[in-house]
Amino acid sequence: DGGITQSPKYLFRKEGQNVTLSCEQNLNHDAMYWYRQDPGQGLRLIYYSQIVNDFQKGDIAEGYSVSREKKESFPLTVTSAQKNPTAFYLCASSPRLAGINEQFFGPGTRLTVL
Amino acid sequence: AQSVAQPEDQVNVAEGNPLTVKCTYSVSGNPYLFWYVQYPNRGLQFLLKYITGDNLVKGSYGFEAEFNKSQTSFHLKKPSALVSDSALYFCAVRDLDNYGQNFVFGPGTRLSVLP
Repeated sequence: DGGITQSPKYLFRKEGQNVTLSCEQNLNHDAMYWYRQDPGQGLRLIYYSQIVNDFQKGDIAEGYSVSREKKESFPLTVTSAQKNPTAFYLCASSPRLAGINEQFFGPGTRLTVL
Repeated sequence: AQSVAQPEDQVNVAEGNPLTVKCTYSVSGNPYLFWYVQYPNRGLQFLLKYITGDNLVKGSYGFEAEFNKSQTSFHLKKPSALVSDSALYFCAVRDLDNYGQNFVFGPGTRLSVLP
């Protein structure tokens, strides 16, 4: 999966808990992204980051938070404010945000709320 | 606003036959178009992209795609399908005139290649 790692592969959360999903890349990419995938809905953008210490909300940012303290890392926290967090979460990176480059995806984390 | 449509949820084709997975798009400026494939419980893998130039783009694993500006389409094709091509396929667009801030993905098309 192209130098991007996500952990854990499976994650179970009780209602009311915050959980953090890890995403690390060794591709020296500037831009990183978080997507949520639900059956039949394709990928929806949660947050993206062009550069360290900067990030922007995507289409469905409510109930999620991110940080970008290092170029290699872009962790996603799913907070208790996210009412329906059960989904498959995908992290991606690309060399530059406003360019012609494709995205490279991690293997994903499947989050289930118990 | 950008959008991508994949009009077929499911495509079934016999092994050895040609396959087509359809994609249409809507952008305000010039599009950059991408195809990705996803195998079960995995991330997406890049197949090919159209940036400019020749309307027929060749990509990985024998796939190709044809860009048609007048029909705003970017259909994925392969001359001879393999059972191992069975997967979920996503079309995506990036709007360059809008500074290419984000990718927009279609809902996906599930391809089943029958032996």
